[in-house]
Amino acid sequence: GAVVSQHPSRVICKSGTSVKIECRSLDFQATTMFWYRQFPKQSLMLMATSNEGSKATYEQGVEKDKFLINHASLTLSTLTVTSAHPEDSSFYICSAPGLGVQETQYFGPGTRLLVL
Amino acid sequence: GQQLNQSPQSMFIQEGEDVSMNCTSSSIFNTWLWYKQDPGEGPVLLIALYKAGELTSNGRLTAQFGITRKDSFLNISASIPSDVGIYFCAGRRGGGGNKLTFGTGTQLKVEL
Repeated sequence: GAVVSQHPSRVICKSGTSVKIECRSLDFQATTMFWYRQFPKQSLMLMATSNEGSKATYEQGVEKDKFLINHASLTLSTLTVTSAHPEDSSFYICSAPGLGVQETQYFGPGTRLLVL
Repeated sequence: GQQLNQSPQSMFIQEGEDVSMNCTSSSIFNTWLWYKQDPGEGPVLLIALYKAGELTSNGRLTAQFGITRKDSFLNISASIPSDVGIYFCAGRRGGGGNKLTFGTGTQLKVEL
């Protein structure tokens, strides 16, 4: 299957700082990538759809000015959590659709964010 | 956001037992996917289903796409300790885009 990587895998930051998370498709190109957030013992909740060459599409209730998404190339999307607060602490996971007639989604390993 | 209803929420079974879990929705999906997530990692795709009524196997795993397109189930036969984890169903609607709606998850624990 297709491989998606994320960096960093874990990050601890102070309240008020910004954190950038990278999502890369390693062996395929992805014009679309997805960003999810997962709180402990909960399911994955879609935050936004990252579109190469155009603006990201955010789900209802997700602040676009707080969670900045940039799809810089066909293999890289970044999520920046701006002015992070403790309630932003979560597990952030990206995914990208695989290629082919019947598309599936492949997930990155996730980034654990802890805001102190 | 919407989530799919998954049951049971958790299971504690003996090694060697068969496991069954299901996922239901009030709306129709064109694709059903089943993922397994280990602690601290991203979900890994287990099985993908694309047609109503489709029954697909992947080793000891079998999944079916419900005829009504509103449900799916996953069976694991002869469970082993490494089956431990959280299993998520995910549905994808047609009409463009690739957004997935995830189920609430089933946590599986296997007793030796």
